[in-house]
Parts: sequence; structure tokens; C-alpha cells
Amino acid sequence: DSGVTQTPKHLITATGQRVTLRCSPRSGDLSVYWYQQSLDQGLQFLIQYYNGEERAKGNILERFSAQQFPDLHSELNLSSLELGDSALYFCASSADRVGETQYFGPGTRLLVL
Amino acid sequence: GDSVTQMEGPVTLSEEAFLTINCTYTATGYPSLFWYVQYPGEGLQLLLKATKADDKGSNKGFEATYRKETTSFHLEKGSVQVSDSAVYFCALVASGGSYIPTFGRGTSLIVHP
Repeated sequence: DSGVTQTPKHLITATGQRVTLRCSPRSGDLSVYWYQQSLDQGLQFLIQYYNGEERAKGNILERFSAQQFPDLHSELNLSSLELGDSALYFCASSADRVGETQYFGPGTRLLVL
Repeated sequence: GDSVTQMEGPVTLSEEAFLTINCTYTATGYPSLFWYVQYPGEGLQLLLKATKADDKGSNKGFEATYRKETTSFHLEKGSVQVSDSAVYFCALVASGGSYIPTFGRGTSLIVHP
């Protein structure tokens, strides 16, 4: 158990819909990272937050957004969903903003029908 | 840009066989190198890491040596077990940048009894 929790574990929705994925980092970790894992793209970094502020952005679509709240949990919002958004979404946390060692949650499996 | 190349899988071995999973990288400067493991249905877990040339990371019988001259970080284990069946990811964190990991595509390992 990494100490990182993600909810929900599974999510099935339809194209055009909007969903919110939630992540709670390990106790004391200030950085949260979001990744998308799909068969064709592998593991893609989406975005990082550090202590409530966006710190780095990767291959995140404009339809996707995230935020980190004062209690350090984070939410990833995916809107106008497309079939191609079906993937595993992982959250990871690290103690600092450098984040060489990251601790991953169990992931949320999103299926868009 | 930075990149990590891993051998394609799946790698299929019998129990107690010797394991090598090749990983080479391209990066400026002196990156830190990592191996993560993903067991079925779970998130990634850090397996081992090395932060400078000639360092050897080791954990749970797995080893990898940071070879700057060949830009490689091959994962080895002398005797695999069925419980080692998982997907293994090589990753790097470049120095002086955003410190966001760059992951390889992953190599699936299947160990038969």
C-alpha cells in the first residue's frame, strides 16, 4: 500500500459527459502528479501540483483540468469525453516539488462508451 | 528531448531463470534512473533507483547499474519467481529541469512455474 488513494476505482460513462477523479496523496506529501496510461500511448504525464499551485504541465488536453485543494487532495476533471479518453488514470505523490521518487495510487479505470 | 527505450515484451521465462530487461536512455546532463514495477490491477511501485554513474540500485533480488558510457540501466535478477510476473517500467528524471519522470513503454514479464 503506497498510501495514495484514488476514487473511484472504476468509472463507466458516455461520450460527451464530464467526470471527476479524486486523489489523496500520502500523508505529508505536497506534490501530486496525474498520469494517463493507455495501451497505445503508454504512461503519459498530465500535470503536477505542488502545495496548491500548478507546477508542471505535460500532455494534458484542454478538455481536462485539475486542481489541488488546501487539504492537498487533488481532482482531475475530464469533460466532453471521447472514446479515446478511455484509459487508466494514475495519481502519484511525492514529498517535495522535485519528486524524484513518486508513490502511485491504484488508479481509476475510465471507460467511455 | 529526454527519452527511455525498453525492450518490447512480453518476456516469458520459467521459474528460476535469469532475467534481463534492457533499458537505454537519452538525456542531457546527468539524470537519475529508476525501475518501477506494476503488478496486475495495481499502480506503479518504485523498485530501485540510481542517481549517478556506476551506482547500482538493488531491491528484492533485482539489480541495475547506471552505465553512462552506454546510456543504459538494464534490470537483472538471477532467479525469477512466478510472483515477479508484472510490467516493469524504466524511467529517468533529468537534472535541472522540471523533474518530471520520463517513462519507457513498459516490459511485461510472465514467469511460468
